[in-house]
Amino acid sequence: QSALTQPASVSGSPGQSITISCTGTSSDVGGYNYVSWYQQHPGKAPKLMIYDVSNRPSGVSNRFSGSKSGNTASLTISGLQAEDEADYYCSSYTSSSKGVFGGGTKLTVL
Amino acid sequence: EVQLVESGGVVVQPGGSLRLSCAASGFTFDDYTMHWVRQAPGKGLEWVSLISWDGGSTYYADSVKGRFTISRDNSKNSLYLQMNSLRTEDTALYYCAKDFDSSSWTYYFDYWGQGTLVTVSS
Repeated sequence: QSALTQPASVSGSPGQSITISCTGTSSDVGGYNYVSWYQQHPGKAPKLMIYDVSNRPSGVSNRFSGSKSGNTASLTISGLQAEDEADYYCSSYTSSSKGVFGGGTKLTVL
Repeated sequence: EVQLVESGGVVVQPGGSLRLSCAASGFTFDDYTMHWVRQAPGKGLEWVSLISWDGGSTYYADSVKGRFTISRDNSKNSLYLQMNSLRTEDTALYYCAKDFDSSSWTYYFDYWGQGTLVTVSS
């Protein structure tokens, strides 16, 4: 299974909003609503931020939101804060009953 | 508090074998599907394998199928990954991760361990 496609890096200033895209195919992102997003700070384990395309687990800030259109899912972070600087990964269920991650996006808060 | 603690990572030669373990606590282990996810140094995440709550269903990434075997012992609240015919490209931090849903598998990983490092090198 091929990795989902994410931009290598995005950046934004504090208070701004940014969006990270995650492009797959009709066999993964486009075919199912089993899309999730993870935040990973250096040296730390990933943290689940979004599941079911747009749902937030308990404790995750409402500044984080998710959406999907066709084969592309998106993570939007509004009101950027310094602590949002991290790597972000999307993930999807696939038609072969396996999981696949995106290549990851490094978010820099300027 | 949910805790996942991996162990077993070492330096091993290409072609060698290794067994990773993950000790779980803080939740009803035999209610949940469990996963292994790996991350090569400086690289992204790669899903490796899953095992259903009862061990009856297993799935593997194409990159490890036929070489790795996932298993669990619900009486010991433990998850395992038997890794055979290791290759240099298997070098990675291996995470044990809990699935979000107790009724099936969603590929949502809501709890992760801190990982155990496997280095395949001659």
